[in-house]
Amino acid sequence: GAGVSQTPSNKVTEKGKYVELRCDPISGHTALYWYRQSLGQGPEFLIYFQGTGAADDSGLPNDRFFAVRPEGSVSTLKIQRTERGDSAVYLCASKVGGTGELFFGEGSRLTVL
Amino acid sequence: GDSVTQMEGPVTLSEEAFLTINCTYTATGYPSLFWYVQYPGEGLQLLLKATKADDKGSNKGFEATYRKETTSFHLEKGSVQVSDSAVYFCARGPNAGGTSYGKLTFGQGTILTVHP
Repeated sequence: GAGVSQTPSNKVTEKGKYVELRCDPISGHTALYWYRQSLGQGPEFLIYFQGTGAADDSGLPNDRFFAVRPEGSVSTLKIQRTERGDSAVYLCASKVGGTGELFFGEGSRLTVL
Repeated sequence: GDSVTQMEGPVTLSEEAFLTINCTYTATGYPSLFWYVQYPGEGLQLLLKATKADDKGSNKGFEATYRKETTSFHLEKGSVQVSDSAVYFCARGPNAGGTSYGKLTFGQGTILTVHP
């Protein structure tokens, strides 16, 4: 498709489990962002990739959260030892370099029981 | 740090009514300002933006003017439609010259419902 694709759209897991969320950006977009949106709140920045490298990971809440983008396209957000407070919609967005428009995916809704 | 404060909702209007959703931002530097919209079942979409003081962003009948003196970027539409029902988010980018233009700070969102 032409847009940012995120899988799974919904994920329910148990406290303590490991979760991976995948983002497939728009072809040719070099910049990729992850955001987290809690219920009733606006999205909060987590991490930004320019190409394969994490250019800014200042929004990751703690060391249970990690993200990779090994080939400069698809990215995976990894959450270890999930906690109930991790429940949120995780949004991915991509853009061309510079000041281009940011395009968002529909998000992956994570529920930790 | 950077922050954006948005008018709390929800907002309920009749079709053809006038809409204002207030937004103010912290005044560090000269950020780009944005309004994003999230329609039911869809991802966030850019509605409009302004990159410098006194700029007016506009799209689909919506307008917002970058007011540096009041650090505001209020969203307005003269006549809303049922199809405008959505969640609206105000956001600021990094200061001018920052390299991470997609690192946005969002407000908490305002739910708009328009009745026929």
